[in-house]
Amino acid sequence: SQQGEEDPQALSIQEGENATMNCSYKTSINNLQWYRQNSGRGLVHLILIRSNEREKHSGRLRVTLDTSKKSSSLLITASRAADTASYFCATDLNTDKLIFGTGTRLQVFP
Amino acid sequence: DAGVTQSPTHLIKTRGQHVTLRCSPISGHKSVSWYQQVLGQGPQFIFQYYEKEERGRGNFPDRFSARQFPNYSSELNVNALLLGDSALYLCASTGRSDTQYFGPGTRLTVL
Repeated sequence: SQQGEEDPQALSIQEGENATMNCSYKTSINNLQWYRQNSGRGLVHLILIRSNEREKHSGRLRVTLDTSKKSSSLLITASRAADTASYFCATDLNTDKLIFGTGTRLQVFP
Repeated sequence: DAGVTQSPTHLIKTRGQHVTLRCSPISGHKSVSWYQQVLGQGPQFIFQYYEKEERGRGNFPDRFSARQFPNYSSELNVNALLLGDSALYLCASTGRSDTQYFGPGTRLTVL
C-alpha cells in the first residue's frame, strides 16, 4: 500500500515558471526523500530531509517538511524542459523500507 | 564510481515460468532493497537485505524470494509468474547515509 499521496497528480507549466508538488503521508517518519523518474526508468535521488529539519535547499530545489501536518512540499524554481518527469516522495522509519507516494507527473513546455 | 546496476534490462516471460533478476550495489554498500513498480503507481517495497540477511519483507506472496551474496550483490526470484507480475523491478543500495540509490530497473513483461 502507498504511504500517502502527491498532489497534484499532474502539473503542466511553461519553462521558467516554478513548480510546486505536495506530499502527504500517514505515519511517523525518520526521513523523507524526493525522487525523480524519467519515462519509467530508474529513480534519481533529489534530496533527503530528516524529521527534525523543516527546510532544505539543493540548487533549484527547495523542500519543506511539516511533521505536525504529515506533509512535505518540493519546489522547483525556474523550471526547464529537462525537468519533465514524475516526482515521488518516499518516507522511512528507522529502516531501509521506503514507502512511496503515488507521484506527480510534471510537464514543462519550452 | 559505478552506480547500482541491474540485469537484464528487459525480460519477457510467459505465465507459470520462473524469473531471476540481478542487482549489483554501489561499491561499499552492504544493504540492497528490491521494489516493484506497476505502471502508473509508486514503487512498492519487496525485500531488504543487509550483510546477506533478510531485514525486511513487504506484502508479497511466497512466490517472491531473494538472496544476497558475499559480494553484496543480490538476486530476486519470482516463481509461477502471473500476468500481474508485469512491472518494473527496481533495486536500491544504501551505504552509511540513509539515502537509497536506485538502479535503472528491469522491465518484466509476463504474457
